[in-house]
Amino acid sequence: AQSVTQLGSHVSVSEGALVLLRCNYSSSVPPYLFWYVQYPNQGLQLLLKYTSAATLVKGINGFEAEFKKSETSFHLTKPSAHMSDAAEYFCAVSAPVRGYNKLIFGAGTRLAVHP
Amino acid sequence: EAQVTQNPRYLITVTGKKLTVTCSQNMNHEYMSWYRQDPGLGLRQIYYSMNVEVTDKGDVPEGYKVSRKEKRNFPLILESPSPNQTSLYFCASSLGGAYNEQFFGPGTRLTVL
Repeated sequence: AQSVTQLGSHVSVSEGALVLLRCNYSSSVPPYLFWYVQYPNQGLQLLLKYTSAATLVKGINGFEAEFKKSETSFHLTKPSAHMSDAAEYFCAVSAPVRGYNKLIFGAGTRLAVHP
Repeated sequence: EAQVTQNPRYLITVTGKKLTVTCSQNMNHEYMSWYRQDPGLGLRQIYYSMNVEVTDKGDVPEGYKVSRKEKRNFPLILESPSPNQTSLYFCASSLGGAYNEQFFGPGTRLTVL
């Protein structure tokens, strides 16, 4: 069965520092993986997705993630944090269920960026 | 503009009073889903629909109903709301493939007293 674990429910960084949000997955089939971001009082927005074309995936707003099969990980990074990056981030894996591909989400990581 | 809309955005109600949260998408997507978001639990799927008149239970369907009479609309019905259904609800739509992203509505914050 597919599942997602996000390590750290809260992460705090200084403006300009590296952002690293961790995601480990479990999947019985080759995984499709996603990172979504949720800004305050908004819905979820896709940051990036892994679909097996390349292990390093670049997304919006300077974020990227690297798929590591040996570590079953898909960590999200950004070299330099900006105040506007403060949000909640969700990792998700696509899971085939009865002819439908559902998304299974991790519990989320709330990112705080301080001056 | 391609979007998923939900109404209302905020709702406070009392136990047992039937309510409906509407969801509409303008992207001609076949697949639509409802999720609830609770702190520390991420998003959990309530119901999904693969096409008109085709719906199925997700992970937490108890206390909820849905219908899909038109492709664009997927309302969520709480026939007798209870306080444990106080949550943030999201509707989403997609093309349905494993690699296709889901597009989310802005959310409905429901409080049941």
